[in-house]
Amino acid sequence: AQSVTQPDIHITVSEGASLELRCNYSYGATPYLFWYVQSPGQGLQLLLKYFSGDTLVQGIKGFEAEFKRSQSSFNLRKPSVHWSDAAEYFCAVNNNNDMRFGAGTRLTVKP
Amino acid sequence: SAVISQKPSRDICQRGTSLTIQCQVDSQVTMMFWYRQQPGQSLTLIATANQGSEATYESGFVIDKFPISRPNLTFSTLTVSNMSPEDSSIYLCSGGLAGSGNEQFFGPGTRLTVL
Repeated sequence: AQSVTQPDIHITVSEGASLELRCNYSYGATPYLFWYVQSPGQGLQLLLKYFSGDTLVQGIKGFEAEFKRSQSSFNLRKPSVHWSDAAEYFCAVNNNNDMRFGAGTRLTVKP
Repeated sequence: SAVISQKPSRDICQRGTSLTIQCQVDSQVTMMFWYRQQPGQSLTLIATANQGSEATYESGFVIDKFPISRPNLTFSTLTVSNMSPEDSSIYLCSGGLAGSGNEQFFGPGTRLTVL
C-alpha cells in the first residue's frame, strides 16, 4: 500500500533563511506526488505536483520540489522564507484517486 | 481549478445530535471526497461521494455514522450522526478530476466541536 512519511513534525527557521521539508513515499509504480499548504483555519492549497518529466518542479509562492526516485523522496524547498510561509505543509501521493497524506510538518518562522 | 465552499464554517453541537455539512463546487468535477482532520493530525479520507449512488467508505467509517449524499456533480453533503466529543474535528470536502495525476481542490473546512 502506498504511504507518505514526513519525518519532521515541526521546523523553525528564521525569516530570509532557506527551507527544506522532507517527504518520503512508499509506492510500487511511478508516483503522483503533491505538496499542499494549510494556513491556520484554512483549507489546503496546492503548492505543486509531480507526475512525470523534469524532476525539479516549480510551484507557487516561490516553492520548488525535487523528485528523487533513488531515494523515494520529494522534498520541498524555498530559498528565502517569508513570515507568511508559517503554516502546516502536507506531502501527498495519489494512486487512482486514492490520495494519502503525510502527517504534516508545521513551519514556524522567526523574525 | 475549482473553488469549493462549505457550510457551516464552524459549529458547536451537543452530544447525541447530528450535523449536516454542505459542499458546493463552482465547476463540474468528476470526483468529490470527504476527509476528517482531527486536532493536530493529518487528513483521513472518510469516503468518496458518488453521484446518484451510495458513497464508498474507507475502513473504519460507516454509512450509519456518516451518511453522504451527492445528488449532482457539484454538490454533496456529509452528516455526522449521533455525535460524541470524539467527533470534534475539521471536516474537509475536496473535488477533482478522475486520474492519479490530478490534484484535489479543498474547501475551507468545517470546524466541529461536540460538547
